[in-house]
Amino acid sequence: EAGVAQSPRYKIIEKRQSVAFWCNPISGHATLYWYQQILGQGPKLLIQFQNNGVVDDSQLPKDRFSAERLKGVDSTLKIQPAKLEDSAVYLCASSSLHRGGQTQYFGPGTRLLVL
Amino acid sequence: QKEVEQNSGPLSVPEGAIASLNCTYSDRGSQSFFWYRQYSGKSPELIMFIYSNGDKEDGRFTAQLNKASQYVSLLIRDSQPSDSATYLCAVHSGGSNYKLTFGKGTLLTVNP
Repeated sequence: EAGVAQSPRYKIIEKRQSVAFWCNPISGHATLYWYQQILGQGPKLLIQFQNNGVVDDSQLPKDRFSAERLKGVDSTLKIQPAKLEDSAVYLCASSSLHRGGQTQYFGPGTRLLVL
Repeated sequence: QKEVEQNSGPLSVPEGAIASLNCTYSDRGSQSFFWYRQYSGKSPELIMFIYSNGDKEDGRFTAQLNKASQYVSLLIRDSQPSDSATYLCAVHSGGSNYKLTFGKGTLLTVNP
């Protein structure tokens, strides 16, 4: 079974530029998450999709971040305009349901450096 | 604000010893608890999860949960240098959205 795919793996941009990340979840996983992980911190949830609907975006900085999941499969996360503090790893995860809840599986992440 | 606390470490143990990683959480309604391992420069990978009080064993790993004390731990027996990584505790606090709150992680170093 293929894992969660993400691209690009690395991105360097200047502040005020825009950037977009792509994620393809594990086949059959209805739930997709985008996390931001700053160096030395645990992942912080930005947005959660169930199929193509948003379940939780309470920690998404909506003035600059946007995300969509068309057709309930692939997803894109966009930052426009980027700030220096957006430098982080952006992780996509998808999950399957089991008795204890949902287990999340992470993609390799996109490392973003904003200069 | 639901919080998950971990000792940031680093925790250093000799090869072959037992490594003990601890995590406390603030939300008494928390239902499921997950341990992820994250190697430097890599993404988190799931080690195991637990949702009932007591112990759960999987190979060299044992998760322990005490809901009354709001405490979950991970024991790694016969620690190997390849276990050197950051260990993230994550808590699902209930609700249908299965949102996870992560701790900051504990850096474990296993010395040969």
